[in-house]
Amino acid sequence: QVQLQESGPGLVKPSETLSLTCSVSGGSISSYYWSWIRQPPGKGLEWIGYIYYSGSTKYNPSLKSRVTISVDTSKNQFSLKLSSVTAADTAVYYCARHTELTYFDYWGQGTLVTVSS
Amino acid sequence: SYELTQPPSVSVSPGQTASITCSGGKLGEKYAYWYQQKPGQSPVLVIYRDSKRPSGIPERFSGSNSGNTATLTISGTQAMDEADYYCQAWDSNTAVFGGGTKLTVL
Repeated sequence: QVQLQESGPGLVKPSETLSLTCSVSGGSISSYYWSWIRQPPGKGLEWIGYIYYSGSTKYNPSLKSRVTISVDTSKNQFSLKLSSVTAADTAVYYCARHTELTYFDYWGQGTLVTVSS
Repeated sequence: SYELTQPPSVSVSPGQTASITCSGGKLGEKYAYWYQQKPGQSPVLVIYRDSKRPSGIPERFSGSNSGNTATLTISGTQAMDEADYYCQAWDSNTAVFGGGTKLTVL
């Protein structure tokens, strides 16, 4: 059974960079696409972007200038960096697996990141 | 940018049929996916490729997609189906989610 686990700081200061890692267990990171999705408290889901195991990426146009997603196949992990954060970036951040342009079949449990000084 | 529109809330009596719509330009030409999210939990896929049910999803969940609207239908709704439901599609290689619909079973 594939499992995804997000990790990273739960508190980030405004203007700094949010950094999260998703560790994949129970399966290989190869041959799949891996996305970050976030959900502000009490609000809906917002897709941030994906990375293919080979390293190709696609980002949400609304966040593209601030987002970097990278992959480390040797560690079966992929990561998110979101720069110049503000309070509006406070959300539960999920990592999820999918195949090309299809559904998100495995999700992490989510991690709450709060942007506050 | 592409947008998917869902009603904020839908109410249904136990045992009745609930329908949740998702509207977007030419949505019927794309695949629609549906996720269920209960409080404090991660989303769970309940319908993929418009109308297919993943293993383990009850038969009372069904879906359709035509024109500009995809619909998630829950027949014989149970109290356990009370949750937020999100539609999702891909447009220009980007994933788009609807705003979500809170299903209340009362």
